[in-house]
Amino acid sequence: RKEVEQDPGPFNVPEGATVAFNCTYSNSASQSFFWYRQDCRKEPKLLMSVYSSGNEDGRFTAQLNRASQYISLLIRDSKLSDSATYLCVVNFTGGGNKLTFGTGTQLKVEL
Amino acid sequence: AAGVIQSPRHLIKEKRETATLKCYPIPRHDTVYWYQQGPGQDPQFLISFYEKMQSDKGSIPDRFSAQQFSDYHSELNMSSLELGDSALYFCASSRNTDTQYFGPGTRLTVL
Repeated sequence: RKEVEQDPGPFNVPEGATVAFNCTYSNSASQSFFWYRQDCRKEPKLLMSVYSSGNEDGRFTAQLNRASQYISLLIRDSKLSDSATYLCVVNFTGGGNKLTFGTGTQLKVEL
Repeated sequence: AAGVIQSPRHLIKEKRETATLKCYPIPRHDTVYWYQQGPGQDPQFLISFYEKMQSDKGSIPDRFSAQQFSDYHSELNMSSLELGDSALYFCASSRNTDTQYFGPGTRLTVL
């Protein structure tokens, strides 16, 4: 079982739709959490860090539930340019500062 | 803003050859990380360096070695290359244990 699990998708949504991605992690002693975005054959790019209080950045909202070991990402008013793979990433306590990636959820926004 | 620089961007090698990948971190970043991403897979942590000392080690084969130099750039040396080493190799950098920023990657193809 992977330490960070995501639904691989793909999620095919029309432009303007709201879409939510979920992620679960297995190690309760986890330190910090992130959503990265990766376009095909490109490097992962930090989308946002995820905090227990929840945080929002424009059309993107991230939530963390430590009790359930669950992370979510909500994208409102989807744009064609949001099409990418969204990686749930965890930095486990005691794991140095290495990042553990989920397999990613593929999003395709269509006209 | 300056980003992480990796070279070369593409590399083609034969089996049993050696390869050296280079990474130049963002200025004033003191920590470098190496990740390997196979086709259709998520990035896997290989090794990291903080202030020129190895700080953490992941699933790095014994055939691979790496170091960080006095100017903070890092090199990943890969020997006795195998077909399975074909992958995207990302370098990331951070300031202490802060957020990691990824370079564009080196695509290694072993024939």
